[in-house]
Amino acid sequence: DAKTTQPNSMESNEEEPVHLPCNHSTISGTDYIHWYRQLPSQGPEYVIHGLTSNVNNRMASLAIAEDRKSSTLILHRATLRDAAVYYCITHPVGTSGTYKYIFGTGTRLKVLA
Amino acid sequence: DAMVIQNPRYQVTQFGKPVTLSCSQTLNHNVMYWYQQKSSQAPKLLFHYYDKDFNNEADTPDNFQSRRPNTSFCFLDIRSPGLGDAAMYLCATSRDGYTQYFGPGTRLTVL
Repeated sequence: DAKTTQPNSMESNEEEPVHLPCNHSTISGTDYIHWYRQLPSQGPEYVIHGLTSNVNNRMASLAIAEDRKSSTLILHRATLRDAAVYYCITHPVGTSGTYKYIFGTGTRLKVLA
Repeated sequence: DAMVIQNPRYQVTQFGKPVTLSCSQTLNHNVMYWYQQKSSQAPKLLFHYYDKDFNNEADTPDNFQSRRPNTSFCFLDIRSPGLGDAAMYLCATSRDGYTQYFGPGTRLTVL
């Protein structure tokens, strides 16, 4: 299984961009990279995912390194509602039917007003 | 629109008293998962159903069982809860094992 590491915590000022890094140096070629966030006392919420190319959606952008050993979740303008724990997840996809999420350690993002 | 629903949101039980947590989904997904999440830790997969096929993780204690009577519902049974089983229990669903959608969780307290 790929091992995924993230900084324990980060801080950002409100309305500034935030770059959340993730290292997944043992990722396999067919593993997807997912990001979720979790607010206190809530279940994880899907943010974005990708395989090789950078991805954008209404919530965030995902930048994937060319060697795929790292990725960065980008929140373009942080708001107080973005304060959460952000999980980087690798996700092998194959034909076995047992597609497990491999969770990173999570980064607690604090947004300062 | 609630998609993955967990009941109850908060459950208190006594040491050794069996407890059942429930999960339902309106997504018609064929895969359902149960995770355990302890404070300041990432969720840990206990088991999952791929259609009717049950897949147990190797390190899931025998104390934890699951039932899936139909596509929409899945239950987590803890036969004899110990103090160490106090945690948030998360249900998730997916279509064919791809992107997972999580419920809000049930926080279990064991007295």
